[in-house]
Amino acid sequence: DAKTTQPPSMDCAEGRAANLPCNHSTISGNEYVYWYRQIHSQGPQYIIHGLKNNETNEMASLIITEDRKSSTLILPHATLRDTAVYYCIVRSNNAGNMLTFGGGTRLMVKP
Amino acid sequence: EAGVAQSPRYKIIEKRQSVAFWCNPISGHATLYWYQQILGQGPKLLIQFQNNGVVDDSQLPKDRFSAERLKGVDSTLKIQPAKLEDSAVYLCASSPQKGYDGYTFGSGTRLTVV
Repeated sequence: DAKTTQPPSMDCAEGRAANLPCNHSTISGNEYVYWYRQIHSQGPQYIIHGLKNNETNEMASLIITEDRKSSTLILPHATLRDTAVYYCIVRSNNAGNMLTFGGGTRLMVKP
Repeated sequence: EAGVAQSPRYKIIEKRQSVAFWCNPISGHATLYWYQQILGQGPKLLIQFQNNGVVDDSQLPKDRFSAERLKGVDSTLKIQPAKLEDSAVYLCASSPQKGYDGYTFGSGTRLTVV
């Protein structure tokens, strides 16, 4: 699976949009971009995933560049409860393929 | 639906002792994973089961770690003997065999080896 690069930490003001970047320049054609987050003392939680089109669900939006070498996770109105470590993961979408986590981005939402 | 259940929530043992962790995945999920998460790092996969068979255990330190998944449902992960560097959170996750949006993780077992 392709490697990802994320900033180690970011701050965001409560109520503002949080934009978390991820670089995955070696992504291959059959690999999806997945985002998970991990709130303190909990297991990682699935947020969203996409292949090449932008995706939106009740939690977040995922913007993937046209060349698929980078993506941005957007939390449109960050709350204090969004403070967590956010992981960007690239993997092929075959059933049973494992997730390989990197270091993630520690997002701190401040009042 | 019920989530992935793990127990115990916390465990403190002395080095060279043995310890076991238990995981009950979401009903019907064929794939089960054990991850180790050392403080400040992302989770690292230890072993993956598909039903009751091992798919990948290349990252499992087999001289001291063992895992089984009886009848393709519950799973146990054992460490014998434990070392100080085994202090970590042990996470269990499950996913359906097909058509899934993502894994579901349990809350983990925090192991401290003293």
